[in-house]
Amino acid sequence: KNEVEQSPQNLTAQEGEFITINCSYSVGISALHWLQQHPGGGIVSLFMLSSGKKKHGRLIATINIQEKHSSLHITASHPRDSAVYICAVKETSGSRLTFGEGTQLTVNP
Amino acid sequence: NAGVTQTPKFRILKIGQSMTLQCTQDMNHNYMYWYRQDPGMGLKLIYYSVGAGITDKGEVPNGYNVSRSTTEDFPLRLELAAPSQTSVYFCASSSNWGADSNQPQHFGDGTRLSIL
Repeated sequence: KNEVEQSPQNLTAQEGEFITINCSYSVGISALHWLQQHPGGGIVSLFMLSSGKKKHGRLIATINIQEKHSSLHITASHPRDSAVYICAVKETSGSRLTFGEGTQLTVNP
Repeated sequence: NAGVTQTPKFRILKIGQSMTLQCTQDMNHNYMYWYRQDPGMGLKLIYYSVGAGITDKGEVPNGYNVSRSTTEDFPLRLELAAPSQTSVYFCASSSNWGADSNQPQHFGDGTRLSIL
């Protein structure tokens, strides 16, 4: 069992839909990251959070430390949001990131 | 501000050949990392460095070597390329990554490597 599990693995939505991607982890963490990987391959850090909620434009990330769960929400989705979204955790015991396998999001016009 | 720059973007190698994947960052970050990304798998840490002259193994270091002679550069060396090393390689850097510090990692655009 992976230490970081994402769901769903694949998600197809229509433009304008509200999207939720989930991340569950099994280890103690000091921070959780949400990353975006576009079809060209580049990886961009979207959020880093250790509690509560963060918002940037149409993106919202939440984390529940007690339940070891985080969600990434996209409001009013757009085809340009199509990408792989990756959850990664920084364990309290180490200095490394452990990555989920990613969620492939496709937003159709 | 270039951020993290990786070269080359693509490369095809024959089994047994060697090559160096270059990574340089212009943000004066102490921490640098090399990851590989295989289809359907999460990124795996190959090697990392906490500063010039210091390197350490990650999860999947076998078949690779690194050096960190300067703060800016962190090259990854494949000595005897094997088909299992076919992957996409990402270099990343961060300003700090100790147990008490949380800083985002900045990624390069990746190097797509095929071993035939």
